[in-house]
Amino acid sequence: SQQGEEDPQALSIQEGENATMNCSYKTSINNLQWYRQNSGRGLVHLILIRSNEREKHSGRLRVTLDTSKKSSSLLITASRAADTASYFCATVLTDSWGKFQFGAGTQVVVTP
Amino acid sequence: EADIYQTPRYLVIGTGKKITLECSQTMGHDKMYWYQQDPGMELHLIHYSYGVNSTEKGDLSSESTVSRIRTEHFPLTLESARPSHTSQYLCASIAVGRNTEAFFGQGTRLTVV
Repeated sequence: SQQGEEDPQALSIQEGENATMNCSYKTSINNLQWYRQNSGRGLVHLILIRSNEREKHSGRLRVTLDTSKKSSSLLITASRAADTASYFCATVLTDSWGKFQFGAGTQVVVTP
Repeated sequence: EADIYQTPRYLVIGTGKKITLECSQTMGHDKMYWYQQDPGMELHLIHYSYGVNSTEKGDLSSESTVSRIRTEHFPLTLESARPSHTSQYLCASIAVGRNTEAFFGQGTRLTVV
């Protein structure tokens, strides 16, 4: 099965609300990354958190990493309709660096 | 803006045809990848390359083949397309280093009829 698994599978919120999604993984990682995908397009990198980091911020994005639980969360604050997309976590394993493993993604819909 | 390009963006082709999906990047990245993704589903790694003349099969078995004769070019070929090959194919590349991000092309949506 995939290294990374996101939950929830889908999330529907209103503009201004926060969106939180989680990612769990199975083996030791070098870093974990979050990507965004608009429908029918390629993925765009959002944020990278290294295995020795616990929290990272970028604009309205906040990512946490708990290596003891092998999990990460992505929080989008004050969501906008333009945040509607699928969000994927990707892990880069310590024993095969450069080989990304993606989860199934969380589909986020933000309604005005 | 990522300098990685995939062509064609959309392709509808008949069963049995040979097709090549193109992927090129101008960033000088050594590592390149092909992923297969059904709509709304996860990405599956089907091929990757760590440099010229290096190609490896990914986690998902695929009947496609790849080549890496030049750093910037990583084409994927299906010798005989089948309806089961209908999917979106995403190409990506990353720079050298353990903490670098992947850059993705816009994808090729393939339909085999």
